[in-house]
Amino acid sequence: GNSVTQMEGPVTLSEEAFLTINCTYTATGYPSLFWYVQYPGEGLQLLLKATKADDKGSNKGFEATYRKETTSFHLEKGSVQVSDSAVYFCALILQGAQKLVFGQGTRLTINP
Amino acid sequence: ETGVTQTPRHLVMGMTNKKSLKCEQHLGHNAMYWYKQSAKKPLELMFVYSLEERVENNSVPSRFSPECPNSSHLFLHLHTLQPEDSALYLCASSLQAGLSGNEQFFGPGTRLTVL
Repeated sequence: GNSVTQMEGPVTLSEEAFLTINCTYTATGYPSLFWYVQYPGEGLQLLLKATKADDKGSNKGFEATYRKETTSFHLEKGSVQVSDSAVYFCALILQGAQKLVFGQGTRLTINP
Repeated sequence: ETGVTQTPRHLVMGMTNKKSLKCEQHLGHNAMYWYKQSAKKPLELMFVYSLEERVENNSVPSRFSPECPNSSHLFLHLHTLQPEDSALYLCASSLQAGLSGNEQFFGPGTRLTVL
């Protein structure tokens, strides 16, 4: 089946630290990959996406590279801010499918 | 602001009540979705509508009844719910269901508590 596995949270970092949130996937076809972010009390917002192997998605200082050989899409940011505190979801969707498959989410807390 | 609005934002209901959740998108999209977000579980897709036609129903109990009167509006009618149905219900829309790389835009959700 199709699934997404994210690193267990919660993750707590200090401001300006380097962030990595791991995401790996299994898919029966060729997926597009996404990172969504959910700030407290809000719905999900698309953070970045990649639709083919070796594509790099980037937004707001966050980056993730679609690695087909390792079936991974790890999220990174070089210097986190308190405002980055949120829950981050990795997700995939297969070509022609309606269903986004989400990971369980990783809660990130950044301390000043 | 993603262009998808949901009302109410919070709802408390008894097990014998009937209530409805409303979602509206202002993006000109043709596909709309209901998701359930429970604590410590991945988001669960409940229903997908494409051009007002239901195209996916993920084994959701009949006490949840969706309605899509047009491509801008989506409802979730609730009837005789159970306490375990308490969750955040998220609506989303996308340009077209099944399109590769298709981004889904989410509303803020309705926090539902069933007593």
